[in-house]
Amino acid sequence: QVHLVQSGAEVKKPGSSVKVSCKASGGTFSSDSLNWVRQAPGQGPEWMGRILPILDVANYAQKFLGRVTITADKSTGTAYMDLSSLRSDDTAVYYCARGPNSRLDFWGQGTLVIVSS
Amino acid sequence: EIVLTQSPSTLSLSPGERATLSCRASQSVGSSYLAWFQQKPGQAPRLLIYGSSSRATGIPDRFSGSGSGTDFTLTINRLEPEDFAFYFCQHYGASPYTFGQGTKVEIK
Repeated sequence: QVHLVQSGAEVKKPGSSVKVSCKASGGTFSSDSLNWVRQAPGQGPEWMGRILPILDVANYAQKFLGRVTITADKSTGTAYMDLSSLRSDDTAVYYCARGPNSRLDFWGQGTLVIVSS
Repeated sequence: EIVLTQSPSTLSLSPGERATLSCRASQSVGSSYLAWFQQKPGQAPRLLIYGSSSRATGIPDRFSGSGSGTDFTLTINRLEPEDFAFYFCQHYGASPYTFGQGTKVEIK
């Protein structure tokens, strides 16, 4: 059974960066895509980007290009999402989700990121 | 980017009734890359349906999906108390993998 465990909640100042981790267990880490999805309060989910660990290739939603970096460490089965130049509207719960061909079969528990001065 | 529009925004029904949720895409998605998720307050979304009509592991058979091209439907037969939640559709065929804005199924 695949299990994804994310790092804890963060409070950040506007203009700073945040790095959220997602450790996977079970299944085959390298062969699935690892996606990041965020959800602002009262809103629907929003896909940010994904990485294919087996190829070490990431792609991102246009909206986040230049601000987000997704990486993966195959040796530890951990993925990371780094979001820079934070604004108040980046306040959201950030989820990692994993599955074959970018299908989102399994989700982490979510990480709340609050951006506030 | 493909825009997914869900309707209705809220569905008020009683336990035992059937729920029919719609998801319309701004351009063809194909049938292989449309998913439905259920989300309850404070929880991560849970995959219900993938490939338009295939149930994910452990999902009861009262949940069914159909559709192709630009029009998709999630049907929940005989609503159980635990089915009252938010439901989102999502396409994952080509980046960016957008979500619909959601339908809330609430108890009437």
